[in-house]
Amino acid sequence: QVQLVQSGAEVKKTGASVKVSCKVSGYTLTELTIYWVRQAPGKGLEWVGGFDGEHGQMVYAQVVQGRLTMTEDTSTGTAYMELRSLRSEDTAVYFCATDFISEFDLWGRGTLVTVSS
Amino acid sequence: DVVMTQTPLSSPVILGQPASISCRSSQSLVHSDGDTYLSWLHQRPGQPPRVLIYKVSNRFSGVPDRFSGSGAGTDFTLKISRVDAEDVGIYYCMQATHFPRTFGQGTKVEIK
Repeated sequence: QVQLVQSGAEVKKTGASVKVSCKVSGYTLTELTIYWVRQAPGKGLEWVGGFDGEHGQMVYAQVVQGRLTMTEDTSTGTAYMELRSLRSEDTAVYFCATDFISEFDLWGRGTLVTVSS
Repeated sequence: DVVMTQTPLSSPVILGQPASISCRSSQSLVHSDGDTYLSWLHQRPGQPPRVLIYKVSNRFSGVPDRFSGSGAGTDFTLKISRVDAEDVGIYYCMQATHFPRTFGQGTKVEIK
């Protein structure tokens, strides 16, 4: 059974950095494109970043441009999302997701990142 | 960025009755490969979203046949033929034709 297993909740101070992991279980990370989506408390889904295979480049949402880095460790099958210079408005559940059979059909359980001063 | 606009944002429905959600995109979702990457997702509180419909009208594995999707270009619709209690939650349309991927605001479906 293919799963995306995310790391646990984080509490960070304003201005700090956070790194969230997403481990692929039951499949090979190199065969997948991992996207990151976030959801602020009581709000809708917001796409944060992912790899554009058609143009061969990483694409980030404007709101995190310059602060977000997405990386992968193929030896462990783990994708990472690091968000720097955290703001209170970055408080959200961060999901990793992928196109397994169809678009965004496989999701992690989410990682709550809380940013406070 | 492609803006996805859903209507209504809230939909109180009677069990067993039909429901419909519309989604309009600010530009065509027809990809250069000829496919239209418009999906519908359902989210219950405290859970990640799950795909119901992909590429406009394809029902995902395990999704009841009371769910159907239709549309083309910039206008799309999700229909539930007979609402069941387990259908409550928030429904999102999502486009995967263009980068960045974008979601509709979400439509809350609740039982009247």
